[in-house]
Amino acid sequence: EAGVAQSPRYKIIEKRQSVAFWCNPISGHATLYWYQQILGQGPKLLIQFQNNGVVDDSQLPKDRFSAERLKGVDSTLKIQPAKLEDSAVYLCASSFYPGSYNEQFFGPGTRLTVL
Amino acid sequence: GQQLNQSPQSMFIQEGEDVSMNCTSSSIFNTWLWYKQDPGEGPVLLIALYKAGELTSNGRLTAQFGITRKDSFLNISASIPSDVGIYFCAGPWNYGGSQGNLIFGKGTKLSVKP
Repeated sequence: EAGVAQSPRYKIIEKRQSVAFWCNPISGHATLYWYQQILGQGPKLLIQFQNNGVVDDSQLPKDRFSAERLKGVDSTLKIQPAKLEDSAVYLCASSFYPGSYNEQFFGPGTRLTVL
Repeated sequence: GQQLNQSPQSMFIQEGEDVSMNCTSSSIFNTWLWYKQDPGEGPVLLIALYKAGELTSNGRLTAQFGITRKDSFLNISASIPSDVGIYFCAGPWNYGGSQGNLIFGKGTKLSVKP
């Protein structure tokens, strides 16, 4: 079974530029999560989707971050404009059931560096 | 808000040694999870605990759910080089009396003793 796919794996941009990350969850997983992991910290949830609807985006900085999952499968996370403090690894995870803390499968992440 | 405090922040291991780490919270958790993250990869679930006092093993790993429900411990016996990585504790974030999504500790980094 293929795991969670993310691209790109690495991205370097200058502050005030825009960037987008893509995630393809495990086939059949209805729930998709985006996490931000700053160096030296644990992952922090940004947004959770159930199919193509948002379940929780309480920790998403909505003035610059946006995410969509239009067809209930792939998802895109965008930052516009980026700030220095956005440098982090952005992890995507998926689960079959909503709220399945112990059954979240993580992708390898996209490492973003903002200069 | 809820926070998970992990200790130690980092430790060095020599092959064959036993390793212990713990995680504490100011709030009660009903579930404790332990993850391992290798460089360039996402976290992988090692052990899940659902009941106060529960002791669960996964090979050389043993984890315990503290009686107070505010702490958890992870032990690794007879460490091997592939145990190197960052270990995170995590639990569902409680708000409004219901369980929400996961929060993670800052991690314990295991490295090989030079």
